[in-house]
Amino acid sequence: LAKTTQPISMDSYEGQEVNITCSHNNIATNDYITWYQQFPSQGPRFIIQGYKTKVTNEVASLFIPADRKSSTLSLPRVSLSDTAVYYCLVGPMDSNYQLIWGAGTKLIIKP
Amino acid sequence: DAEITQSPRHKITETGRQVTLACHQTWNHNNMFWYRQDLGHGLRLIHYSYGVHDTNKGEVSDGYSVSRSNTEDLPLTLESAASSQTSVYFCATGLAGENPTGELFFGEGSRLTVL
Repeated sequence: LAKTTQPISMDSYEGQEVNITCSHNNIATNDYITWYQQFPSQGPRFIIQGYKTKVTNEVASLFIPADRKSSTLSLPRVSLSDTAVYYCLVGPMDSNYQLIWGAGTKLIIKP
Repeated sequence: DAEITQSPRHKITETGRQVTLACHQTWNHNNMFWYRQDLGHGLRLIHYSYGVHDTNKGEVSDGYSVSRSNTEDLPLTLESAASSQTSVYFCATGLAGENPTGELFFGEGSRLTVL
């Protein structure tokens, strides 16, 4: 099972673009990369998922290089409400139970 | 709107007591999961179910049990609560294998304190 490594914490300011990088050197061919967001006292919430290259939705973008050993979650123009813990997970799309949740990245947005 | 409801949201109990945490979903998802989250850590899988009458052990299943008698509910039981089981418990559902994203949908969590 592929494990991930991401920074424990990051700070940024309102209006800035924030990039959170995740390392997953042992990613398997059938693994997808998924990011979740968790606010205090709430369950995690799905943000974005990708397999290769770039994926964009209304919330974020996910950049995945050709070797897929890392990925970068990009949050455009963050606001105070983006303060949360962000988790990067790697695993086969058809087996949620195989996902390994690390400690995530605590992102703090300052005014 | 479809949702996941966990109850109780907060509970304090004593060592040795039996505790049941309820999870009810209206997503009509086949897959349901129970996780625990300890301060400063990610989620750890306790038990999961891929359908009615199906249950499977996760990473940290000792001291916990689940049963799946219908699609909507997956109650988590602590047979004899221990202080090490003080944690926040999250129920989740998903459509792994059926949904292109494999997305998990989480409840709001149940905070359990064992004294």
